[in-house]
Amino acid sequence: AQSVTQPDIHITVSEGASLELRCNYSYGATPYLFWYVQSPGQGLQLLLKYFSGDTLVQGIKGFEAEFKRSQSSFNLRKPSVHWSDAAEYFCAVGYNAGNNRKLIWGLGTSLAVNP
Amino acid sequence: GAGVSQSPSNKVTEKGKDVELRCDPISGHTALYWYRQSLGQGLEFLIYFQGNSAPDKSGLPSDRFSAERTGGSVSTLTIQRTQQEDSAVYLCASSLGQVSYNEQFFGPGTRLTVL
Repeated sequence: AQSVTQPDIHITVSEGASLELRCNYSYGATPYLFWYVQSPGQGLQLLLKYFSGDTLVQGIKGFEAEFKRSQSSFNLRKPSVHWSDAAEYFCAVGYNAGNNRKLIWGLGTSLAVNP
Repeated sequence: GAGVSQSPSNKVTEKGKDVELRCDPISGHTALYWYRQSLGQGLEFLIYFQGNSAPDKSGLPSDRFSAERTGGSVSTLTIQRTQQEDSAVYLCASSLGQVSYNEQFFGPGTRLTVL
Protein backbone atom coordinates (compact mmCIF):
# COMPACT_ATOMS: atom_id res chain seq x y z
CA ALA A 1 0.00 0.00 0.00
CA GLN A 2 1.10 3.52 -0.67
CA SER A 3 2.36 5.51 2.28
CA VAL A 4 4.35 8.58 3.19
CA THR A 5 6.46 8.88 6.31
CA GLN A 6 7.85 12.06 7.76
CA PRO A 7 10.03 10.77 10.58
CA ASP A 8 10.46 14.09 12.35
CA ILE A 9 7.35 15.41 14.05
CA HIS A 10 9.01 18.58 15.23
CA ILE A 11 12.30 20.30 14.37
CA THR A 12 13.86 23.44 15.82
CA VAL A 13 16.66 25.27 14.04
CA SER A 14 18.37 28.59 14.50
CA GLU A 15 17.82 31.35 12.01
CA GLY A 16 20.50 31.17 9.34
CA ALA A 17 21.15 27.49 9.86
CA SER A 18 20.61 24.90 7.17
CA LEU A 19 17.52 22.72 7.15
CA GLU A 20 16.65 19.25 5.94
CA LEU A 21 13.20 17.74 6.37
CA ARG A 22 12.91 14.05 5.68
CA CYS A 23 10.28 12.28 3.63
CA ASN A 24 10.12 8.59 2.77
CA TYR A 25 7.48 7.04 0.58
CA SER A 26 6.26 3.62 -0.35
CA TYR A 27 4.92 3.30 -3.87
CA GLY A 28 5.32 0.64 -6.52
CA ALA A 29 5.69 2.87 -9.54
CA THR A 30 7.41 6.13 -10.32
CA PRO A 31 6.03 8.53 -7.76
CA TYR A 32 4.78 12.04 -8.16
CA LEU A 33 6.11 13.87 -5.13
CA PHE A 34 5.14 17.14 -3.52
CA TRP A 35 6.08 19.33 -0.61
CA TYR A 36 3.51 21.75 0.79
CA VAL A 37 3.86 24.34 3.53
CA GLN A 38 1.16 25.48 5.92
CA SER A 39 2.04 28.68 7.74
CA PRO A 40 0.12 29.73 10.85
CA GLY A 41 -3.29 30.98 9.81
CA GLN A 42 -2.50 30.36 6.14
CA GLY A 43 -3.69 27.82 3.64
CA LEU A 44 -1.53 25.06 2.24
CA GLN A 45 0.87 26.23 -0.43
CA LEU A 46 2.89 24.16 -2.86
CA LEU A 47 6.64 24.51 -2.36
CA LEU A 48 7.82 22.20 -5.12
CA LYS A 49 7.01 19.01 -6.98
CA TYR A 50 8.80 16.18 -8.74
CA PHE A 51 7.28 14.37 -11.70
CA SER A 52 10.27 13.25 -13.75
CA GLY A 53 13.63 14.38 -15.05
CA ASP A 54 16.22 16.10 -12.90
CA THR A 55 16.09 14.60 -9.45
CA LEU A 56 16.98 17.90 -7.79
CA VAL A 57 14.04 20.25 -7.98
CA GLN A 58 13.91 23.89 -7.03
CA GLY A 59 10.91 25.46 -5.39
CA ILE A 60 9.72 28.73 -4.02
CA LYS A 61 11.16 30.55 -1.03
CA GLY A 62 14.64 29.12 -1.64
CA PHE A 63 13.67 25.49 -0.99
CA GLU A 64 14.88 22.50 -2.94
CA ALA A 65 14.30 18.77 -2.74
CA GLU A 66 16.12 15.75 -4.06
CA PHE A 67 14.42 12.57 -5.25
CA LYS A 68 16.45 9.46 -4.45
CA ARG A 69 14.80 6.38 -5.86
CA SER A 70 17.23 3.98 -4.17
CA GLN A 71 16.29 5.39 -0.78
CA SER A 72 12.62 6.07 -1.55
CA SER A 73 13.17 9.55 -0.25
CA PHE A 74 12.31 13.10 -1.20
CA ASN A 75 13.98 15.29 1.41
CA LEU A 76 13.40 19.02 1.53
CA ARG A 77 16.34 21.35 2.06
CA LYS A 78 17.11 25.00 2.55
CA PRO A 79 20.65 26.35 3.02
CA SER A 80 19.71 29.22 5.34
CA VAL A 81 16.47 29.32 7.28
CA HIS A 82 14.55 32.53 7.90
CA TRP A 83 12.25 33.15 10.85
CA SER A 84 9.33 33.30 8.42
CA ASP A 85 9.95 29.67 7.49
CA ALA A 86 8.41 28.54 10.78
CA ALA A 87 5.46 26.46 9.65
CA GLU A 88 4.12 22.95 9.14
CA TYR A 89 5.59 21.07 6.19
CA PHE A 90 3.81 18.22 4.46
CA CYS A 91 5.17 15.70 2.00
CA ALA A 92 2.74 13.96 -0.34
CA VAL A 93 2.85 11.32 -3.06
CA GLY A 94 0.41 11.15 -5.96
CA TYR A 95 -0.92 7.85 -7.19
CA ASN A 96 -3.50 6.36 -9.50
CA ALA A 97 -6.74 4.92 -8.23
CA GLY A 98 -8.57 4.02 -11.39
CA ASN A 99 -9.31 7.29 -13.11
CA ASN A 100 -8.70 9.23 -9.96
CA ARG A 101 -5.73 11.30 -9.05
CA LYS A 102 -5.18 11.31 -5.31
CA LEU A 103 -2.47 12.32 -2.91
CA ILE A 104 -1.29 10.41 0.12
CA TRP A 105 -0.03 12.77 2.78
CA GLY A 106 2.55 12.50 5.49
CA LEU A 107 1.63 13.64 8.98
CA GLY A 108 3.77 16.72 8.68
CA THR A 109 6.85 18.20 10.32
CA SER A 110 6.49 21.27 12.47
CA LEU A 111 9.42 23.65 12.07
CA ALA A 112 10.31 26.20 14.73
CA VAL A 113 12.99 28.82 14.09
CA ASN A 114 14.98 30.36 16.94
CA PRO A 115 16.20 33.92 16.52
CA GLY B 1 -12.14 33.91 -8.49
CA ALA B 2 -8.49 34.36 -7.74
CA GLY B 3 -8.28 31.37 -5.44
CA VAL B 4 -10.26 28.68 -3.69
CA SER B 5 -12.70 30.15 -1.21
CA GLN B 6 -14.49 28.42 1.62
CA SER B 7 -17.32 29.49 3.86
CA PRO B 8 -17.85 29.89 6.66
CA SER B 9 -14.35 30.34 7.99
CA ASN B 10 -15.50 29.23 11.43
CA LYS B 11 -18.52 27.23 12.50
CA VAL B 12 -19.55 26.38 16.02
CA THR B 13 -22.43 23.99 16.37
CA GLU B 14 -24.08 21.80 18.94
CA LYS B 15 -23.79 18.06 18.93
CA GLY B 16 -26.53 16.51 16.85
CA LYS B 17 -27.03 19.46 14.53
CA ASP B 18 -26.38 19.36 10.78
CA VAL B 19 -23.80 21.62 9.14
CA GLU B 20 -23.03 22.62 5.57
CA LEU B 21 -19.61 23.73 4.45
CA ARG B 22 -19.14 25.43 1.11
CA CYS B 23 -16.25 25.45 -1.35
CA ASP B 24 -15.82 27.63 -4.42
CA PRO B 25 -12.99 26.24 -6.55
CA ILE B 26 -10.83 28.14 -8.96
CA SER B 27 -12.69 28.79 -12.18
CA GLY B 28 -11.85 26.16 -14.79
CA HIS B 29 -10.62 23.58 -12.32
CA THR B 30 -12.41 20.31 -12.93
CA ALA B 31 -11.09 18.43 -9.92
CA LEU B 32 -12.20 19.21 -6.38
CA TYR B 33 -11.09 17.57 -3.14
CA TRP B 34 -12.28 17.70 0.44
CA TYR B 35 -9.90 16.93 3.30
CA ARG B 36 -10.15 16.96 7.05
CA GLN B 37 -7.31 18.10 9.27
CA SER B 38 -7.57 17.39 12.96
CA LEU B 39 -5.36 19.12 15.51
CA GLY B 40 -1.76 18.06 15.02
CA GLN B 41 -2.68 15.61 12.28
CA GLY B 42 -2.03 15.36 8.59
CA LEU B 43 -4.61 15.64 5.89
CA GLU B 44 -7.33 13.01 5.79
CA PHE B 45 -8.84 12.57 2.33
CA LEU B 46 -12.64 12.66 2.33
CA ILE B 47 -14.00 12.89 -1.21
CA TYR B 48 -12.90 13.75 -4.74
CA PHE B 49 -14.89 15.11 -7.68
CA GLN B 50 -13.56 15.01 -11.25
CA GLY B 51 -15.70 16.59 -13.92
CA ASN B 52 -18.89 14.65 -14.51
CA SER B 53 -17.50 11.36 -13.21
CA ALA B 54 -18.93 9.67 -10.15
CA PRO B 55 -17.17 11.07 -7.09
CA ASP B 56 -14.65 9.03 -5.15
CA LYS B 57 -16.26 8.84 -1.71
CA SER B 58 -13.82 6.32 -0.30
CA GLY B 59 -12.57 8.66 2.41
CA LEU B 60 -15.88 9.63 3.97
CA PRO B 61 -15.71 8.40 7.59
CA SER B 62 -19.40 7.59 7.99
CA ASP B 63 -22.76 7.90 6.29
CA ARG B 64 -23.31 11.13 8.21
CA PHE B 65 -20.95 12.76 5.72
CA SER B 66 -21.99 13.60 2.19
CA ALA B 67 -20.95 16.05 -0.48
CA GLU B 68 -22.23 17.31 -3.76
CA ARG B 69 -20.90 19.46 -6.51
CA THR B 70 -23.37 21.44 -8.53
CA GLY B 71 -22.69 22.37 -12.13
CA GLY B 72 -19.15 21.18 -11.87
CA SER B 73 -18.24 24.15 -9.71
CA VAL B 74 -19.36 24.88 -6.17
CA SER B 75 -19.28 22.02 -3.69
CA THR B 76 -21.05 21.54 -0.39
CA LEU B 77 -19.92 19.14 2.32
CA THR B 78 -22.73 18.20 4.68
CA ILE B 79 -22.28 16.60 8.06
CA GLN B 80 -25.47 15.32 9.65
CA ARG B 81 -25.98 14.79 13.37
CA THR B 82 -22.57 16.21 14.18
CA GLN B 83 -20.44 14.58 16.85
CA GLN B 84 -17.62 16.08 18.90
CA GLU B 85 -15.09 13.99 16.99
CA ASP B 86 -16.11 15.85 13.84
CA SER B 87 -14.37 18.95 15.19
CA ALA B 88 -11.57 19.73 12.76
CA VAL B 89 -10.51 22.03 9.96
CA TYR B 90 -12.14 21.06 6.68
CA LEU B 91 -10.05 21.93 3.66
CA CYS B 92 -11.10 22.14 0.06
CA ALA B 93 -8.70 22.01 -2.88
CA SER B 94 -9.09 22.21 -6.61
CA SER B 95 -6.86 21.35 -9.54
CA LEU B 96 -6.93 21.39 -13.30
CA GLY B 97 -7.95 17.76 -13.47
CA GLN B 98 -6.84 14.37 -14.62
CA VAL B 99 -4.02 15.38 -16.92
CA SER B 100 -0.88 14.56 -15.03
CA TYR B 101 -0.70 15.37 -11.37
CA ASN B 102 -1.58 19.00 -11.28
CA GLU B 103 -0.99 21.14 -8.27
CA GLN B 104 -3.82 21.22 -5.79
CA PHE B 105 -4.75 24.72 -4.72
CA PHE B 106 -6.16 24.90 -1.22
CA GLY B 107 -8.72 27.14 0.34
CA PRO B 108 -8.23 28.64 3.82
CA GLY B 109 -10.44 26.00 5.40
CA THR B 110 -13.47 25.95 7.65
CA ARG B 111 -12.80 25.38 11.33
CA LEU B 112 -15.66 23.32 12.74
CA THR B 113 -16.21 23.08 16.46
CA VAL B 114 -18.86 20.74 17.78
CA LEU B 115 -19.83 21.44 21.38
